Amino acid sequence: QVQLQESGPGLVKPSETLSLTCTISGFSTSSDYYWGWIRQPPGKGLEWIGSVSHGGKTYYTPSLKSRVTMSFDTSTKDFSLRLRSVTVADTAVYYCAGLGLTGAETFDMWGQGTVVTVSS
Amino acid sequence: QSALTQPPSASGTPGQRVTISCSGSSSNIGSNTVSWYQLLPGTAPKLLIYSNNQRPSGVPDRFSGSKSGTSASLAISGLQPEDEADYFCSAWDDSLNGPDWVFGGGTKVTVL
Repeated sequence: QVQLQESGPGLVKPSETLSLTCTISGFSTSSDYYWGWIRQPPGKGLEWIGSVSHGGKTYYTPSLKSRVTMSFDTSTKDFSLRLRSVTVADTAVYYCAGLGLTGAETFDMWGQGTVVTVSS
Repeated sequence: QSALTQPPSASGTPGQRVTISCSGSSSNIGSNTVSWYQLLPGTAPKLLIYSNNQRPSGVPDRFSGSKSGTSASLAISGLQPEDEADYFCSAWDDSLNGPDWVFGGGTKVTVL
């Protein structure tokens, strides 16, 4: 059974860097699948942040591209998100997800999400 | 503002059919497939429909999806109390600004 679990600080100060990790279990990550981060600000819809492959190739949403870095660690089998210079607008539930793990060409497996609040 | 447009709410009584619309453009729904997700508080989002009308294993057949042009729909037939949740549509967007996964703003389904 594939499981994804987000982890990281729940509170980040404005202008600092938000760092999250997604731990993958129950799935072989040796194949070059893509993994992604999606967030949901309070009262708003879902927003794709970006995706990273097992081989390290990345795609970011244009609006956040200048502040985002994602990476995949093949030794620990997890992937990470770094979002620089955060503001209160970055307060959201952050989800990690896998793309095409069951054959569906979409994000088909998700973590439960982690709440990140940006506040001083 | 979300790239895909959904009604903010929908409702029905148990056993009724509820339909949720999702409107996009030629760069997303018009040229790529649509997925639908169910979100319940504190749980992982669940994929209900992919490739416009395909159900993953384990998703009840009362959930169905369709697409026409730049719009898509999710139908819930035989509405159940446990279907009360938020529903989101999604599609890949071949934007000139760069590739992008886009989502709708979500529709809250209430079972009366």
